[in-house]
This record gives sequence, structure tokens and C-alpha cells, in this order.
Amino acid sequence: EVQLVESGGGLVKPGGSLRLSCEASEFTFSSYTMNWVRQAPGKGLEWVSSISSTSSYIFYADSVKGRFTISRDNAKNSLYLQMNSLRAEDTAVYYCAREGNFGYSSGYKPYFDYWGQGTLVTVSS
Amino acid sequence: DIQMTQSPSSVSASVGDRVTITCRASQDISSWLAWYQQKPGKAPKLLIYAASILQTGVPSRFSGSESGTDFTLTISSLQPEDSATYYCQQADSFPLTFGQGTRLEIK
Repeated sequence: EVQLVESGGGLVKPGGSLRLSCEASEFTFSSYTMNWVRQAPGKGLEWVSSISSTSSYIFYADSVKGRFTISRDNAKNSLYLQMNSLRAEDTAVYYCAREGNFGYSSGYKPYFDYWGQGTLVTVSS
Repeated sequence: DIQMTQSPSSVSASVGDRVTITCRASQDISSWLAWYQQKPGKAPKLLIYAASILQTGVPSRFSGSESGTDFTLTISSLQPEDSATYYCQQADSFPLTFGQGTRLEIK
């Protein structure tokens, strides 16, 4: 069974930094595009960032561009999110999510077929 | 950015009812839309992708359709375990965006 396990969340002061990790197992991690999606308490889902299988393509939401950096280590089956200059509005559960390979019928578009359990990041003084 | 507007924001229905949730895109996204189900304290679960293709393992009472920039998620016969919040997501272009969610309650 595909597993995605996030870690690294916690309480951080505004302006601080945090690095999230997502460890993948039971699938060929190096073949999949991976994403971070977040959810503020009691709110909806917000896509944060995407990184292709070989790190050739990276995208960010405008709300985190210049502050967050997504990366991956295929040898370690791990995805990362370096978060700097954190703000109160970054408080959320952060999920890592795998982009499924659905083939031609999906238009090769980004749909998230597996998600981790999430890790909570709280930015507060 | 493409805005996704879901309606209603909440709905209450009885077991066995037919329930529809709508998502409207602010511009043409072709068929590149997904639906997710999220239960409290849990990660979202993919139900449908490419507007109408059922993800493996999802019950056949769930279906998706489209008409222009309007997309519909239908639950043909509501079950107690369908109580959840449902989100649409456009996959046409970055930044990827979600609807605000529809909370489905069982009467």
C-alpha cells in the first residue's frame, strides 16, 4: 500500500523557518510528480507547490513564492518543503500528495491520488 | 488564476436521496477537473478525475459530469458514510485551485 508520511511540523514564531519532510514508500517515488497542499484550520484546501519526478519542473502558489522551496531526494524517497519568513497565515495542516499517472484519459493533468496524514504548522508568537 | 466556485456550501439529505454538488470554473478548463471527499481529521480522497472518470475503488453511486464550465458531482443514493466535505479542483493550469468545499450532512 502506498504510504506518505509527513514530519517536521510544529510551533514557530513569525519570521521563523521550518523544514517539512515527506517519506514515501511502496511505490517508485522517482517516477512521480509530488505536491504540497495545505489546509488552514477550519478552511478549504490550498495547493502550495509541485515538483516533477526529476525536479525539472517546479511550481509555487503566489502566496508562498520566494519564501518556500520544494525539493526532493529520489535516493531517499523523500520530498521536502523549506519554509522561510513564516507568517501567521501559513498556519495550516500541510499534506504531501502524489500526482497520479492516469494516462491519456486524464490528459496527463495533475490529480492527487494519494495523500499523507498531514503535519500541522502553527505560526504564532 | 482560475477561480472555482462550488454550490451549495452545505447540504443536508437523507439516506437514499440523490445529491448533486456543482462547481463552476471562471474560465474554460476543458474536462480537467477532479472531485475529492474529505472526512474530519482525515486527508482528502480522490473520487473522480477528468470530470467523469471514477477513481479505482470508489463506489459507483458517485458520478461526475460537465457542461461547459459547470461540473457536477452526483451521489445517486446517499449512504451514511458519505457524510463529508467535498472539493473540486481544476487541473488545467497552474496555480492549481480548489473550490471552497461543500459540506454534506446526513439527516
